[in-house]
Amino acid sequence: EAGVAQSPRYKIIEKRQSVAFWCNPISGHATLYWYQQILGQGPKLLIQFQNNGVVDDSQLPKDRFSAERLKGVDSTLKIQPAKLEDSAVYLCASSWTIGEQFFGPGTRLTVL
Amino acid sequence: AQRVTQPEKLLSVFKGAPVELKCNYSYSGSPELFWYVQYSRQRLQLLLRHISRESIKGFTADLNKGETSFHLKKPFAQEEDSAMYYCASTPSGAQKLVFGQGTRLTINP
Repeated sequence: EAGVAQSPRYKIIEKRQSVAFWCNPISGHATLYWYQQILGQGPKLLIQFQNNGVVDDSQLPKDRFSAERLKGVDSTLKIQPAKLEDSAVYLCASSWTIGEQFFGPGTRLTVL
Repeated sequence: AQRVTQPEKLLSVFKGAPVELKCNYSYSGSPELFWYVQYSRQRLQLLLRHISRESIKGFTADLNKGETSFHLKKPFAQEEDSAMYYCASTPSGAQKLVFGQGTRLTINP
C-alpha cells in the first residue's frame, strides 16, 4: 500500500512569513497526527484528528499554528507568522489502530 | 507529567556485541510501550510493541512495571542496526504517542 505522503519536503522562509504543509494519509486510516521534531529531540504531538474532528490539540500553539482536515482525508498545517524556534521537521502520521502509526517522510522547515 | 526518558543520546558498540538501549517511563495506569526506529534516509517506523511480545530483527523488549522500564535488547549487534531509536508510550486511554528524545546507535565493524 502507498505510504503517508507529505509536501513539500523542504522549506526555507524568513521569520514572520507564513508556511503551509500538506499531508495525505494512508487510505482508510481514520486518525491523522501532526508532530513537530526539533533537532536532537523526539517528535512532539501538535494535533490529532479522528476523521475530520480534533481529538487533541493541547500542545498546538494556537496563536500561530492552525490545522484542518477537510473531508476526513488530507490535512494541512499552517504557521502564521513563523518564528525562528519553529525550525524543525514536521511529521505527519496516520493510523487505523491504537499505536500502529505510520509516518510520512517529514517536511524540514528552516526559519531564517 | 507523562514522560518517556532515554538516558543515552549516543551508544556505540562493536559488531557481534550485545546491545541494550534504555527506556524509562513515568505513567500511572497501563500505558502501551513501543520502540520506533529511523534508519538513515528512511522514515520513522515501528520496530516492536510490548503487547505483541515479538522479536523483530533479533530485538526484544520486556516491560518491567516495577522499574517502569522498557529496555530494547539484542544479543549480537549487526552493522545494519545502526540507526536512531525512539522509545514511545501511549498513555492509558489515549491514542497519541509520547516519545523519548532518542538514542543514536552506531555499530562499529
